[in-house]
Amino acid sequence: GAVVSQHPSWVICKSGTSVKIECRSLDFQATTMFWYRQFPKQSLMLMATSNEGSKATYEQGVEKDKFLINHASLTLSTLTVTSAHPEDSSFYICSARVGGDAETQYFGPGTRLLVL
Amino acid sequence: DAKTTQPPSMDCAEGRAANLPCNHSTISGNEYVYWYRQIHSQGPQYIIHGLKNNETNEMASLIITEDRKSSTLILPHATLRDTAVYYCILEDNFNKFYFGSGTKLNVKP
Repeated sequence: GAVVSQHPSWVICKSGTSVKIECRSLDFQATTMFWYRQFPKQSLMLMATSNEGSKATYEQGVEKDKFLINHASLTLSTLTVTSAHPEDSSFYICSARVGGDAETQYFGPGTRLLVL
Repeated sequence: DAKTTQPPSMDCAEGRAANLPCNHSTISGNEYVYWYRQIHSQGPQYIIHGLKNNETNEMASLIITEDRKSSTLILPHATLRDTAVYYCILEDNFNKFYFGSGTKLNVKP
């Protein structure tokens, strides 16, 4: 149990285009999902918190108009990188959390984005 | 910001126990300690978590000091497949994880 999937696993796009990444909890309902970004040889950096039915909350320094997050259901959150540029090339990882006092975050396999 | 500190790297012989330390001296009373690992180019994998008591599961054991200011993850019999970056994380009041740099564990034959 507790499987999180991401789609696509990798994507290459041209500069200026938008890219949508999906995060799904396959066997549980996630009240909260998180989006992270990881650059080569660095740790994961939290970008935003996505709550079903409400607006996402973004970490300081993360542009909400560039990284659009939609949490349409208890099993799906999407991250859209708008007008992508080469500096947005990174490994994007989502996690899903059920809720409660000490509920674990389960991570997806990640999506590698390369912007040319 | 990450509230934990870990050594950047450690070596361990295959078949031996790997003991990975973590300092979290500013931990508050209701913060859980979580351990994850990340194998190259994959999403982090949950290992174990605890609040006050020591915990054990099929993957590892977690030893938390009485003052809760540090903890140790123990992999009892390390294998080559345990080579990964191990992260010790405190869950904040908003259930967020702020990852530190982690420890790169190298298991050698």
